[in-house]
Amino acid sequence: NAGVMQNPRHLVRRRGQEARLRCSPMKGHSHVYWYRQLPEEGLKFMVYLQKENIIDESGMPKERFSAEFPKEGPSILRIQQVVRGDSAAYFCASSPRQQETQYFGPGTRLLVL
Amino acid sequence: GQQLNQSPQSMFIQEGEDVSMNCTSSSIFNTWLWYKQDPGEGPVLLIALYKAGELTSNGRLTAQFGITRKDSFLNISASIPSDVGIYFCAGNSGGSNYKLTFGKGTLLTVNP
Repeated sequence: NAGVMQNPRHLVRRRGQEARLRCSPMKGHSHVYWYRQLPEEGLKFMVYLQKENIIDESGMPKERFSAEFPKEGPSILRIQQVVRGDSAAYFCASSPRQQETQYFGPGTRLLVL
Repeated sequence: GQQLNQSPQSMFIQEGEDVSMNCTSSSIFNTWLWYKQDPGEGPVLLIALYKAGELTSNGRLTAQFGITRKDSFLNISASIPSDVGIYFCAGNSGGSNYKLTFGKGTLLTVNP
């Protein structure tokens, strides 16, 4: 059973460009969570999605950031007009149900030049 | 928001030594989790704790959910070089049973 998959593993963008991060949850998991990790920090919750629904986006910046989890395909975290402060590791986790343990993917390291 | 204080920030030990790290919270947590993160990878779940006072082992790892529900510790016995990495405590509290709060991590270095 494949684990949580994220791509790309590394992403370099110039200021003002868009970044798209993809996450495929574990088989049988319909709950997806995105976290951001700044250097030498713990992970910070951004958003929680179920298929076609955003359940909680309280940790996501109001501007430039959006997330979706369509009926078909991976979950997407989209950052528009990236700035240097967006440079971080972005992790996706999935679980079969809301209360269940979250399993993390390998992350996408975003570097904004 | 919720905050977890994890200590120590880093540890440098000799192979074979035992290690202990802990997390404390200013508020009650419903779940305590311990993850390990290797460089360039995502956190991997080591132990999950769901009840106050619960003591759980996973091989050489042992973790406990504090009675007050505001703390947890992780012990590693007879450390080996592959134990090197960053260990994070995490948990959720209040009305959220999905929004994990993470500590800042303990960097463990094991000298062969």
